[in-house]
Amino acid sequence: QITLKESGPTLVKPTQTLTLTCTFSGFSLSTSGVGVGWIRQPPGKALEWLALIYWNDDKRYSPSLKSRLTITKDTSKNQVVLTMTNMDPVDTATYYCAHSTTVTPPYNWFDPWGQGTLVTVSS
Amino acid sequence: EIVLTQSPATLSLSPGERATLSCRASQSVSSYLAWYQQKPGQAPRLLIYDASNRATGIPARFSGSGSGTDFTLTISSLEPEDFAVYYCQQRSNWSPFTFGPGTKVDIK
Repeated sequence: QITLKESGPTLVKPTQTLTLTCTFSGFSLSTSGVGVGWIRQPPGKALEWLALIYWNDDKRYSPSLKSRLTITKDTSKNQVVLTMTNMDPVDTATYYCAHSTTVTPPYNWFDPWGQGTLVTVSS
Repeated sequence: EIVLTQSPATLSLSPGERATLSCRASQSVSSYLAWYQQKPGQAPRLLIYDASNRATGIPARFSGSGSGTDFTLTISSLEPEDFAVYYCQQRSNWSPFTFGPGTKVDIK
């Protein structure tokens, strides 16, 4: 069974850097084809894809946020870390991580997702 | 970037009725479209991928169709647990992943 869980601060100040950790079980990021993505959702609004990292360290970023994002993996700890610099109140959202794979169905889709963690940006 | 438009924004139906949700892409995404269900306070759950394939454990009353730019999610007979928000997502090779704005299915 695949599970993911996000962790990190619930409150950050404007201009600070946010660091979120996704800890997962039931799969390994050293397995060919596996990926972990980050998606966020402002309160009452739609989903927005942020970043994705694959087993081979290939990384993809949302073009609109690329300059502020860094995604890394620690295979030994079964963790993926997302950092977002220069946080602003508009970045207030629930941040989700999700599993993806290129080798078995559902190919390249986000399934399953973690429960999400709400991050509020306020001074 | 491919923009997804969903309609209607809200669909008010009664249990047992048929729900038809639409997702339109600003350019062709072939069959690279998925549907997710999100209930209040919960993470999204994958329902349909590659336009018409049900994800593991998804009941047969959920079905997806379409290709290119026009897609449909159909719930044949609404169960009480189906009242939720539904998002479509595309993963075209030449565009970042994008999601639609969502359709809320609520009880009439």
